[in-house]
Amino acid sequence: GESVGLHLPTLSVQEGDNSIINCAYSNSASDYFIWYKQESGKGPQFIIDIRSNMDKRQGQRVTVLLNKTVKHLSLQIAATQPGDSAVYFCAESLNDYKLSFGAGTTVTVRA
Amino acid sequence: GAGVSQSPSNKVTEKGKDVELRCDPISGHTALYWYRQRLGQGLEFLIYFQGNSAPDKSGLPSDRFSAERTGESVSTLTIQRTQQEDSAVYLCASSPTRTGNGDTQYFGPGTRLTVL
Repeated sequence: GESVGLHLPTLSVQEGDNSIINCAYSNSASDYFIWYKQESGKGPQFIIDIRSNMDKRQGQRVTVLLNKTVKHLSLQIAATQPGDSAVYFCAESLNDYKLSFGAGTTVTVRA
Repeated sequence: GAGVSQSPSNKVTEKGKDVELRCDPISGHTALYWYRQRLGQGLEFLIYFQGNSAPDKSGLPSDRFSAERTGESVSTLTIQRTQQEDSAVYLCASSPTRTGNGDTQYFGPGTRLTVL
């Protein structure tokens, strides 16, 4: 089975609100985690990453939180915009290069 | 600079035929990856190339699948005797060295394969 999964397959968010996308992973040995955004017809686009020696990392409008105790990863998007509508995948790094992806969460931003 | 490119963007083939999918990584990237993405699902790792090292083929689903890479440039994924369950988007990614050292994988747009 998959070692990485997402709690909710879809998320509907009002424009301007904050979004939180959750991800659970099962391999406690994973030491690198990445969030990707995939728009329709395109390949995944890197958003932000975090190593296991960190709990939080911030980017532009995005924050990734890592809770190793419960093996949980989340992506927070501030002030969600229509352009944020996409499928979001979390991935964990196995053996330093082999990424394991979850099924994804579809985010829809309501105007 | 140019990103990862893949060709063709779409491929429709008949069951039993062979197909070749091409990936041009970002120039200078030593690592190259192939993934398969079935409709509505996440990405499945297929194969990984790193420089001149032996590739990691552990994700290839059957011996009908094979991939080659010439040096640190173009890679070709070949599927022989295609089956309907091979229908998916095949994604290629490259990175400067390898993920886990902070090197992001950059993805191409994918090749959508449909086996009739």
